[in-house]
Amino acid sequence: GAVVSQHPSWVICKSGTSVKIECRSLDFQATTMFWYRQFPKQSLMLMATSNEGSKATYEQGVEKDKFLINHASLTLSTLTVTSAHPEDSSFYICSASSRTSSYNEQFFGPGTRLTVL
Amino acid sequence: AQSVTQLDSQVPVFEEAPVELRCNYSSSVSVYLFWYVQYPNQGLQLLLKYLSGSTLVKGINGFEAEFNKSQTSFHLRKPSVHISDTAEYFCAVSGPNQAGTALIFGKGTTLSVSS
Repeated sequence: GAVVSQHPSWVICKSGTSVKIECRSLDFQATTMFWYRQFPKQSLMLMATSNEGSKATYEQGVEKDKFLINHASLTLSTLTVTSAHPEDSSFYICSASSRTSSYNEQFFGPGTRLTVL
Repeated sequence: AQSVTQLDSQVPVFEEAPVELRCNYSSSVSVYLFWYVQYPNQGLQLLLKYLSGSTLVKGINGFEAEFNKSQTSFHLRKPSVHISDTAEYFCAVSGPNQAGTALIFGKGTTLSVSS
């Protein structure tokens, strides 16, 4: 199956700094990428949907100025957590899909654990 | 609008016992249904999916699920579990004409297999 990678797999940063997380589709063109946030023992919460070359669509309650999403190419999307605070600590997961898929198949990255001190 | 309900938040079971993880969905249109597994600190891995056709779907790791339209259910089953099946399981739904839209996930079921 298709492979999606995330980098870094974990990151620790100081409060007030910005952190960039990359999501790459390694062997297919991802026309749409999704960013999720997951708290311990909870389900995935959709943060935003990004289509290549377009501005991301954010879910209600997600601060677009804090969570900057860029989908500049068909294989790369980035999530930047700006001025991170301890409450931003979480597990961030991306997924990717292609418009050529016959159904809404999505491939998930391995996730990035963000810890803000 | 679509929604997914996973009826059990936690399912403890002994090794080699059978298990069923329950999932019900709500939708006014036909759906695609998925089961994903998540091991600790990892992303989601697709176990199986129902798109159309046979209502009994077989997936990886010996899992299977049955689509029941009248009961709007898509329960996941395994006849004999292993310690290694301990993980979080998510049921998800998507509409057939919703390419490019996010899946809708249930809250997850923690399967704990003990010896």
